[in-house]
Amino acid sequence: ETGVTQSPTHLIKTRGQQVTLRCSSQSGHNTVSWYQQALGQGPQFIFQYYREEENGRGNFPPRFSGLQFPNYSSELNVNALELDDSALYLCASSLEQGAGMGPKTQYFGPGTRLLVL
Amino acid sequence: AQSVTQPDIHITVSEGASLELRCNYSYGATPYLFWYVQSPGQGLQLLLKYFSGDTLVQGIKGFEAEFKRSQSSFNLRKPSVHWCDAAEYFCAVGQTGANNLFFGTGTRLTVIP
Repeated sequence: ETGVTQSPTHLIKTRGQQVTLRCSSQSGHNTVSWYQQALGQGPQFIFQYYREEENGRGNFPPRFSGLQFPNYSSELNVNALELDDSALYLCASSLEQGAGMGPKTQYFGPGTRLLVL
Repeated sequence: AQSVTQPDIHITVSEGASLELRCNYSYGATPYLFWYVQSPGQGLQLLLKYFSGDTLVQGIKGFEAEFKRSQSSFNLRKPSVHWCDAAEYFCAVGQTGANNLFFGTGTRLTVIP
């Protein structure tokens, strides 16, 4: 069984640029969530994708966008990068949540560390 | 709104000593609670979770946690810490009807010989 993988592992960009981060979900998982973890902080929920559609979003501006593909892999795109976007970006995969149920266990990838100069 | 507080930013314990990491949550309904561990440069690994039932939950690597509704707490414990337990520990809460988690700011554990 393959775990969650992310690419690239590290990335350096300059302010104003755009970046795309990629995530392959764990085998059998159809839901992907993205989190931002700033230095010294806990992860913060950006958004989640299920059946190729956004299925919940945290308090992040529209310049953070995503995609999910038919094979359940996902991309996180950030436009107009700002210095404060420097963080570890974590992808987590899970099964879909049942109606009226609690969250499914999320399995995290190793993350992509983004530095914006 | 949900929130998680981990009051201890950094804890140092001697190898072989017992450990307790504190977690307090705020959520109006029955919470879904998780503890994750993050080693340097790594993603998050699930240690244990509480959804319902027995309030004492056993996890991997010898960890356990106890859910106390009256105290809104979900503290993580280990009877004897090993050097390889040095890492950052995160408590998280989830809610009914949403698949995302709210994380605390983490507690960094240092283990001294």
